[in-house]
Amino acid sequence: EEQLLESGGALIQPGGSLRLSCAASGFPFSKRSMTWVRQAPGKGLEWVSTIDGTGDSTYYADSVKGRFSISRDNSKNTLYLQMNSLGAEDTAVYYCAKHLPGYYYYMDVWGKGTTVTVSS
Amino acid sequence: QSALTQPRSVSGSPGQSVTISCTGTSSDVGGYNHVSWYQQHPGKAPKLILYDVSKRPSGVPDRFSGSKSGNTASLTISGLQGDDEADYSCCSCAGSYPLIFGGGTKLTVL
Repeated sequence: EEQLLESGGALIQPGGSLRLSCAASGFPFSKRSMTWVRQAPGKGLEWVSTIDGTGDSTYYADSVKGRFSISRDNSKNTLYLQMNSLGAEDTAVYYCAKHLPGYYYYMDVWGKGTTVTVSS
Repeated sequence: QSALTQPRSVSGSPGQSVTISCTGTSSDVGGYNHVSWYQQHPGKAPKLILYDVSKRPSGVPDRFSGSKSGNTASLTISGLQGDDEADYSCCSCAGSYPLIFGGGTKLTVL
């Protein structure tokens, strides 16, 4: 069974940093692009970042560009999201998601999410 | 790019059909067939139910169908069931990243 499990969410003060992790299992991790999507309380889904299978290509939403960094360790089947200079607007549930094989823009397996709260 | 426009809520009775619209621009929804739909039950992760406008992933019943006309994509759910009550979000892009989501539509089964 294909599974994703996020971790690392926490209550963090404004201006702080946090690293989220997403452990993958049940599929060829290194062959799949991966994406982070977030959802602020009571709001819709927001695409955050995508990385290809090799880690060579990365993409970011304008709202996080320069502050967040996506990476992966294919030897550990783990996806990461390094978040710096956090603000209240980054408060959300963060989901990692696997891409549908052969497609760049569709995510067919999602984790349960990890909660990031930015507050003093 | 701005978020895609969806109605905040729709409703229908069991057995009926409902349609949820998703309006973008000629640069995203209207320009490419990279439209997908996600179902999300409260407190749960999203689930992909349609991609490439109208294709269904394995396991998604054919009660869920999709279409597109101009800058508007639509999700139709026929034979409404209680478990269909959820939030539905569309997603598109302008040929590449960023991915753009709609604001989500809450479906209530009366």
